[in-house]
Amino acid sequence: SSELTQDPAVSVALGQTVTITCQRDRLSTFFVSWYQQRPGQAPILVIYGRNDRPSGIPDRFSGSRSGNTASLTITGAQAEDEADYYCSSRDSSYNHNVFGSGTKVTVL
Amino acid sequence: EEQLVESGGGFVQPGGSLRLSCAASGFTFSRYWISWVRQAPGKGLEWVANIKRDGGEEYYVDSVKGRFTISRDNAKDSLYLQMNNLRAEDTAIYYCVRESPGSYYYYMDVWGKGTTVTVSS
Repeated sequence: SSELTQDPAVSVALGQTVTITCQRDRLSTFFVSWYQQRPGQAPILVIYGRNDRPSGIPDRFSGSRSGNTASLTITGAQAEDEADYYCSSRDSSYNHNVFGSGTKVTVL
Repeated sequence: EEQLVESGGGFVQPGGSLRLSCAASGFTFSRYWISWVRQAPGKGLEWVANIKRDGGEEYYVDSVKGRFTISRDNAKDSLYLQMNNLRAEDTAIYYCVRESPGSYYYYMDVWGKGTTVTVSS
């Protein structure tokens, strides 16, 4: 099965833009979904598919993909965006899901 | 409101067993794959297992194969995880998660609040 690699931590100034990346270990066409987890809470879905947001997720969250790297961008980061963010993908061959190691976003 | 509620967590000694349950409400349970995802203390998310809509297929992460069994009862809108031969490294919050289908992909759009499993002597 594949692995997803994320940077451990990034910081962003309040109101600025930050991009989190998720790299797959082999070139392929794939979609990742992105999850936000605030301390002490269950994860929530923020981005899925090409660049879709569930209802209630602000439009400052966006997703993109290039080759074997997917990205989550927060444009105009807010204090409440400080959280851990995980990418995930499902292997269509094995129906296994895999998560990235997570990126801690700190809003300064 | 679409909801998943886990139960059954607790404290167990190494080698022991535990059965987790997950009750679904607010959506047609039988139309979705469902996963268990866990998170060890201070660690990231780890997918554990999932089961097809009709219960006809099950998949597991290698570390739990042969010890854990996922099952479902669509008549009761319920999901289960039978955990046997538990190890200290199984200590985690266990989340019940709905998988929704897109075009050639799935995403996890409904999460329970989790139930805590502690394996210790």
